[in-house]
Amino acid sequence: DSGVTQTPKHLITATGQRVTLRCSPRSGDLSVYWYQQSLDQGLQFLIQYYNGEERAKGNILERFSAQQFPDLHSELNLSSLELGDSALYFCASSVDQGAKEKLFFGSGTQLSVL
Amino acid sequence: AQSVTQLGSHVSVSEGALVLLRCNYSSSVPPYLFWYVQYPNQGLQLLLKYTTGATLVKGINGFEAEFKKSETSFHLTKPSAHMSDAAEYFCAVSDNTNAGKSTFGDGTTLTVKP
Repeated sequence: DSGVTQTPKHLITATGQRVTLRCSPRSGDLSVYWYQQSLDQGLQFLIQYYNGEERAKGNILERFSAQQFPDLHSELNLSSLELGDSALYFCASSVDQGAKEKLFFGSGTQLSVL
Repeated sequence: AQSVTQLGSHVSVSEGALVLLRCNYSSSVPPYLFWYVQYPNQGLQLLLKYTTGATLVKGINGFEAEFKKSETSFHLTKPSAHMSDAAEYFCAVSDNTNAGKSTFGDGTTLTVKP
């Protein structure tokens, strides 16, 4: 158990809908990272928050947004969903930010868009 | 820009045999390199990482990897495979600013035969 909790584990929705994925980092971790894992795109970094502030952006679509709350949990919002958004979404956390941080990953949310 | 190429999407070895998973990278700055393991229905777990210093890096579960700058490689090895090593392995590269903002390879699925 990594200590990172993601909910829900599975999510099935329809095209055009909006969903929210939740991530609770390990106790004391200030950084949260979001990733998308799909068969065609592989594993891609989406976005990072550190202590409530956005710190780095990767290949995140404009239809997607994220935030980190004062209690340090994070939410990834996906809107106007398309079939191609079906993927496994991971979050990870680390104590701080920087190149030598060790990341701890959650078990992911499997999103299916029908 | 950075990229990672994992040679061989599937590798099969017998229990007790040498495990060799290949990873080549491209980076315009000195790279930080990582190997992660993903077991079914779980998130990624860090096996080992190279940041600076000694080029032979030892990780968990008996794995090690050697950073070879001249070959732009970071191959993962384990002298003797165990059934529990069966999983998917990801090589990743980041710059020297953010461990989470990594570029991942496509992954190599390791099968261990009894």
